[in-house]
Amino acid sequence: KAGVTQTPRYLIKTRGQQVTLSCSPISGHRSVSWYQQTPGQGLQFLFEYFSETQRNKGNFPGRFSGRQFSNSRSEMNVSTLELGDSALYLCASWRGTGDSPLHFGNGTRLTVT
Amino acid sequence: AQSVSQHNHHVILSEAASLELGCNYSYGGTVNLFWYVQYPGQHLQLLLKYFSGDPLVKGIKGFEAEFIKSKFSFNLRKPSVQWSDTAEYFCAVNAGNTGFQKLVFGTGTRLLVSP
Repeated sequence: KAGVTQTPRYLIKTRGQQVTLSCSPISGHRSVSWYQQTPGQGLQFLFEYFSETQRNKGNFPGRFSGRQFSNSRSEMNVSTLELGDSALYLCASWRGTGDSPLHFGNGTRLTVT
Repeated sequence: AQSVSQHNHHVILSEAASLELGCNYSYGGTVNLFWYVQYPGQHLQLLLKYFSGDPLVKGIKGFEAEFIKSKFSFNLRKPSVQWSDTAEYFCAVNAGNTGFQKLVFGTGTRLLVSP
């Protein structure tokens, strides 16, 4: 069974640009979550999508947005990039209900210069 | 707002030593609790989870954790560590018994096990 797949693995962008990250969940998983991991702040929850609807949202500015498609694949967009957005962005998926576990991908490393 | 505290940022042990990593959370209601592990170069993996029932939870690779509601704690233990347990360990909580919907993570504990 394939795991959570994130593309691309690495990205380098310039301040002010925008970026789109992609996540393919495990087959059968209806929920996709996004987390930001930085050395200073650790792992922070961005948002969660379930059946194409945003079900939960973290405390990030509106520059961070996401969406989920009918096949459960998800994208995350960051507009007007700032230096502080440099981080590892992790996608995770699970069935969306019950206690089946949350599986993480390997992440996309975003560097903003 | 919920928060999770992991008191030990770095732990160094010799093989066969016992391990206990502390985790405290701040939320007064029903919670779901988790420990995740990140081995070098790998993605986060679930070690164990607590949803309800027996407060002593057994996970993979010989790890266990005990939920003590009165202390708001969910400490991770292993009786005898191995070199392969070298990794970073994260405690996480979800408030409101909604499973994995929205996890708040601690800052992590880096464990180094020397052979």
